[in-house]
Amino acid sequence: NAGVTQTPKFQVLKTGQSMTLQCAQDMNHEYMSWYRQDPGMGLRLIHYSVGAGITDQGEVPNGYNVSRSTTEDFPLRLLSAAPSQTSVYFCASSLGAGTYNSPLHFGNGTRLTVT
Amino acid sequence: AQSVTQLDSQVPVFEEAPVELRCNYSSSVSVYLFWYVQYPNQGLQLLLKYLSGSTLVKGINGFEAEFNKSQTSFHLRKPSVHISDTAEYFCAVRPNTGNQFYFGTGTSLTVIP
Repeated sequence: NAGVTQTPKFQVLKTGQSMTLQCAQDMNHEYMSWYRQDPGMGLRLIHYSVGAGITDQGEVPNGYNVSRSTTEDFPLRLLSAAPSQTSVYFCASSLGAGTYNSPLHFGNGTRLTVT
Repeated sequence: AQSVTQLDSQVPVFEEAPVELRCNYSSSVSVYLFWYVQYPNQGLQLLLKYLSGSTLVKGINGFEAEFNKSQTSFHLRKPSVHISDTAEYFCAVRPNTGNQFYFGTGTSLTVIP
């Protein structure tokens, strides 16, 4: 049982480059989300999705795009990377409506450096 | 609106001593409560959860937490810590009416030999 799988584990970008962080889960979870983790700031929600075709903004959405074409996949796109986007990114998933007592399951993270 | 406050950003404790990591939350609706642990350079793992019933919840690695509704708290405790407990600990809530999870800013537990 793979759970939540994130790729890549590490990435270095130059300012202005674009890239996609991949996230896939095999637990048939409706709810998927992206967080960034920065020292002293905890986890901040970037975007989330409550099902295929439905996405919404979190606390810090600027500079990021998401889409949800399947239940399993929830990629995060950086449109034009900036040094302020240097961070560790986590994808997480959970059961959705009617099962809010379900915990969040996390991937192992992607460490992104923008130079 | 919901919010989660972890009152201590850093907690140093000697090996085999007890520890309590504090978590308070604010919510206008009922919530489910979770504690997660993050070991260095790893993702977050579920430590324990409170859904309903008994207010004392036992988790993995000897940790337990007590839900106090009147004080809106969910403090994490361990009677005797080990070096391997050194990690970041996050408290989280999920309202029973919505999808989102709300996290505290984390408490860094350092166990001193």
